[in-house]
Amino acid sequence: GQSLEQPSEVTAVEGAIVQINCTYQTSGFYGLSWYQQHDGGAPTFLSYNALDGLEETGRFSSFLSRSDSYGYLLLQELQMKDSASYFCAVQKAAGNKLTFGGGTRVLVKP
Amino acid sequence: DADVTQTPRNRITKTGKRIMLECSQTKGHDRMYWYRQDPGLGLRLIYYSFDVKDINKGEISDGYSVSRQAQAKFSLSLESAIPNQTALYFCATMPGGSSETQYFGPGTRLLVL
Repeated sequence: GQSLEQPSEVTAVEGAIVQINCTYQTSGFYGLSWYQQHDGGAPTFLSYNALDGLEETGRFSSFLSRSDSYGYLLLQELQMKDSASYFCAVQKAAGNKLTFGGGTRVLVKP
Repeated sequence: DADVTQTPRNRITKTGKRIMLECSQTKGHDRMYWYRQDPGLGLRLIYYSFDVKDINKGEISDGYSVSRQAQAKFSLSLESAIPNQTALYFCATMPGGSSETQYFGPGTRLLVL
């Protein structure tokens, strides 16, 4: 089977940095994705890692360590609009289906 | 116009009723997916399709069926709805090949009484 673990909730203030960790156990691994979902909205793609290392996309960065079955999403210069749930998802093969973690709810306070 | 649309957006039904949720996309993607999301939880895959002639069960397919009527359309049916199927349902699409990005519809909120 597969399992992904991520913290359920994180609270931080505007301008701060938040790191959301994701550990996974899977019988096959191709890549790790991150999605953002605002309350009442649809998940939207943020970032993807297939190789070890850091991928940077503006204020958001994602890291992967395949040997540790671990990744994280780094949110920098937090803004109120970043209050949302963030999901990691494992892709087992190229172009294949995703298995999602339970999500981390990020609350940004003034 | 939205690239992935779902109808209806909200639905209330009674236990035992058959209900169909529809998904349409204008992105030209081959791959389509149905997920359910329960409050405070992640998304769980119900069914997925890699092309019109390909249908695959996901992790929670019991009580559900699907139909891929065309490349652009993928419908999810609850043959006999039960209260624990109350959830938020999302359709998603993905290009073929080695893509890593899924594109989600706005969701259908279903309440089974």
